[in-house]
Amino acid sequence: GENVEQHPSTLSVQEGDSAVIKCTYSDSASNYFPWYKQELGKGPQLIIDIRSNVGEKKDQRIAVTLNKTAKHFSLHITETQPEDSAVYFCAASRGYGGSQGNLIFGKGTKLSVKP
Amino acid sequence: KAGVTQTPRYLIKTRGQQVTLSCSPISGHRSVSWYQQTPGQGLQFLFEYFSETQRNKGNFPGRFSGRQFSNSRSEMNVSTLELGDSALYLCASSLGENQPQHFGDGTRLSIL
Repeated sequence: GENVEQHPSTLSVQEGDSAVIKCTYSDSASNYFPWYKQELGKGPQLIIDIRSNVGEKKDQRIAVTLNKTAKHFSLHITETQPEDSAVYFCAASRGYGGSQGNLIFGKGTKLSVKP
Repeated sequence: KAGVTQTPRYLIKTRGQQVTLSCSPISGHRSVSWYQQTPGQGLQFLFEYFSETQRNKGNFPGRFSGRQFSNSRSEMNVSTLELGDSALYLCASSLGENQPQHFGDGTRLSIL
């Protein structure tokens, strides 16, 4: 079935360093790739997303890259801050016929930013 | 603009009972999806509703059902609860096809 692999499962960085989280997906028809940040006791919060017709997207300290050929996408966080500490999830979906499509999630990456 | 609201936040039930969870989407959003989050299985898709019609369904038993009302509010129901149904149940809403899905903070369901 459809699957999204996410690595690493845990990531510890020093404040100010960069963090990179990588995901691969199995369904070649996937056309939408969001990233979510989940803090303790909260639901996932959308932080950035990318569509299959775009290779890269940036929003301040956060960027996402997509390689459709390799079925691979990555999240890059620069100048990390302690408040970036959370669990990050990648996801893939293929919307069709008006349906938003079900999100297939990776297993998550617990990011710890040490001051 | 108010976000996705889920009620109740916490629920404790016993095996065999049934439960109904509620979700109010962001104003103007007509698509609502439900997900189950557990430490072992992660985030798994349950079903999606758009304009009161179920558009998509995940691989969960028939004990899990849902519906959507004309104002886009949605409910999900789980009957004959099992211990393994203990999870965080999340609702997400969006404008529709390939539009960003925004999540509520979930309902934490514990089965004793």
